[in-house]
Amino acid sequence: KQEVTQIPAALSVPEGENLVLNCSFTDSAIYNLQWFRQDPGKGLTSLLLIQSSQREQTSGRLNASLDKSSGRSTLYIAASQPGDSATYLCAVEYGNKLVFGAGTILRVKS
Amino acid sequence: DTGVSQNPRHKITKRGQNVTFRCDPISEHNRLYWYRQTLGQGPEFLTYFQNEAQLEKSRLLSDRFSAERPKGSFSTLEIQRTEQGDSAMYLCASPKPGRPTGELFFGEGSRLTVL
Repeated sequence: KQEVTQIPAALSVPEGENLVLNCSFTDSAIYNLQWFRQDPGKGLTSLLLIQSSQREQTSGRLNASLDKSSGRSTLYIAASQPGDSATYLCAVEYGNKLVFGAGTILRVKS
Repeated sequence: DTGVSQNPRHKITKRGQNVTFRCDPISEHNRLYWYRQTLGQGPEFLTYFQNEAQLEKSRLLSDRFSAERPKGSFSTLEIQRTEQGDSAMYLCASPKPGRPTGELFFGEGSRLTVL
């Protein structure tokens, strides 16, 4: 069964701290992996997309890595800000569908 | 605004009633997905369209659920004889054309509450 797990389920950090969110997946035959952000009651916004042949992607203060062989991805957020507070979801594409983790709820305190 | 539009944004209905949600994806995107998300969980795949063809359906999509994309543009998701367990956010998404799949654009979702 294709499963995606995210750890931790929730994280609270002071403003300015660097942090890492973790994602693991059971089936390594992936097309790509995406990280999304979701604000309460809203849809999902794509943050970073890593193709299966890539090792990492960067956008501003965000860096995502992918290790297919170990079935892991990390999302690194540098110099966190209160505006980063949201739920972060990892999704792995298999064939015609994405399988999502349950997300990490991030709170950045000012 | 991702360019994917969903209506209605909120729907409250009584158990046993039928509801229909509409999704208008980005015009040049030929693939369209429906997902369902319950509180505290990630989205779960429901169904997938390539143009007007429904190519894959999840086992979550019982026979009370039907989805269509009649002209390969907008899509509708209908739930018949709603049950309280159907209460969730229903999300529509479309990726840029081509393979491998690129960035996925989600709508704001349609939240269903079944009383």
